[in-house]
Amino acid sequence: GAGVSQSPSNKVTEKGKDVELRCDPISGHTALYWYRQSLGQGLEFLIYFQGNSAPDKSGLPSDRFSAERTGGSVSTLTIQRTQQEDSAVYLCASSHGLRAYEQYFGPGTRLTVT
Amino acid sequence: QKEVEQDPGPLSVPEGAIVSLNCTYSNSAFQYFMWYRQYSRKGPELLMYTYSSGNKEDGRFTAQVDKSSKYISLFIRDSQPSDSATYLCAMTRSSNTGKLIFGQGTTLQVKP
Repeated sequence: GAGVSQSPSNKVTEKGKDVELRCDPISGHTALYWYRQSLGQGLEFLIYFQGNSAPDKSGLPSDRFSAERTGGSVSTLTIQRTQQEDSAVYLCASSHGLRAYEQYFGPGTRLTVT
Repeated sequence: QKEVEQDPGPLSVPEGAIVSLNCTYSNSAFQYFMWYRQYSRKGPELLMYTYSSGNKEDGRFTAQVDKSSKYISLFIRDSQPSDSATYLCAMTRSSNTGKLIFGQGTTLQVKP
């Protein structure tokens, strides 16, 4: 079956611009996660959605970062007023609701802020 | 100090060798332990997960968890050049907490 898909695969933006990154989870997965992977920082948790519950936003690094999940499926991660330190690979994962230990990742969006 | 420590390597071995990859952690609340493989410019791929202490085997891969020592391992038998990748350990407290804590990843190269 289809895995997690993300778009765009690459994004180059100028400092100060806003960007939107999209994630399509595996069909039937109720939980969706965003992570960031950068050199020197490894893979860091950003935000987690589970069904209709309030999202766990504890990993968002600043209020410039936000995410939403519409209709319990597709999710968009928005970064406002991008900074050079936001350059990283943004990874999305999904799982069945009570199987957080079985997260499946998408290919990621490589964001470069110039 | 990071919650999960993993030697970044790189680790270089000849084809056919047994590879041992390890992580240590500080949070005794972790109950689920995962190993992911990540090829260059790809997303992480789940290899195996283990609940609590013990061993789990899947083909050439064996995962071990020693909660008393806060130490986990992944063994790869009969390593192949196609095993060359970065291996990430990850952990979480429960099945529905969502948040995985990752190690830095170990880069493995298997030479033909």
